[in-house]
Amino acid sequence: GAGVSQSPSNKVTEKGKDVELRCDPISGHTALYWYRQSLGQGLEFLIYFQGNSAPDKSGLPSDRFSAERTGGSVSTLTIQRTQQEDSAVYLCASSLATGVGSGNTIYFGEGSWLTVV
Amino acid sequence: AQTVTQSQPEMSVQEAETVTLSCTYDTSESDYYLFWYKQPPSRQMILVIRQEAYKQQNATENRFSVNFQKAAKSFSLKISDSQLGDAAMYFCAYRSRHNKLIFGTGTLLAVQP
Repeated sequence: GAGVSQSPSNKVTEKGKDVELRCDPISGHTALYWYRQSLGQGLEFLIYFQGNSAPDKSGLPSDRFSAERTGGSVSTLTIQRTQQEDSAVYLCASSLATGVGSGNTIYFGEGSWLTVV
Repeated sequence: AQTVTQSQPEMSVQEAETVTLSCTYDTSESDYYLFWYKQPPSRQMILVIRQEAYKQQNATENRFSVNFQKAAKSFSLKISDSQLGDAAMYFCAYRSRHNKLIFGTGTLLAVQP
């Protein structure tokens, strides 16, 4: 696609329910990132994919959070048994990642706004 | 672990004036990239400028320029001739050799007409 696409753009869910957030990166981008941004806060790193593997999962806040990427393309972030503190914007980004420490531009989607009530 | 610090939660500038946003970072790596991103109310993250750590020359993009001080681990953004459309949240970011992108907490810039 032309840009990073995320869905849903907005999601309201009840506490305790599971949610899935989807990210469709720019075609050909091998690197994919998930970030969480709470209201008025900075971007909190969650997980990074290179192809289908996740070299860095250090930012996942708890075992209720998981992510996968299949076919080196679409990624899904799953939050199980949602809590009110999970309410935030979840941003996905992608880039070409050639070599170590690439300076290739990272492109962001418009985010999925999750509200847990 | 790398960290990025933005010590100015909010800044204000008059239209047509110049403003500088501060950013410091901590790392033990010698090769990395630094970025400034802009996030308007639409939430879309927009790349403003980037700097390769191995380059001594400061990056410039039209009205935006950086002051990169590698030894001091400082990476400030200067916006010249500020425009109303520059009002946004600005994030400084560090990209490590492992391609992990780490953000500061942001500076909210207001532009006064």
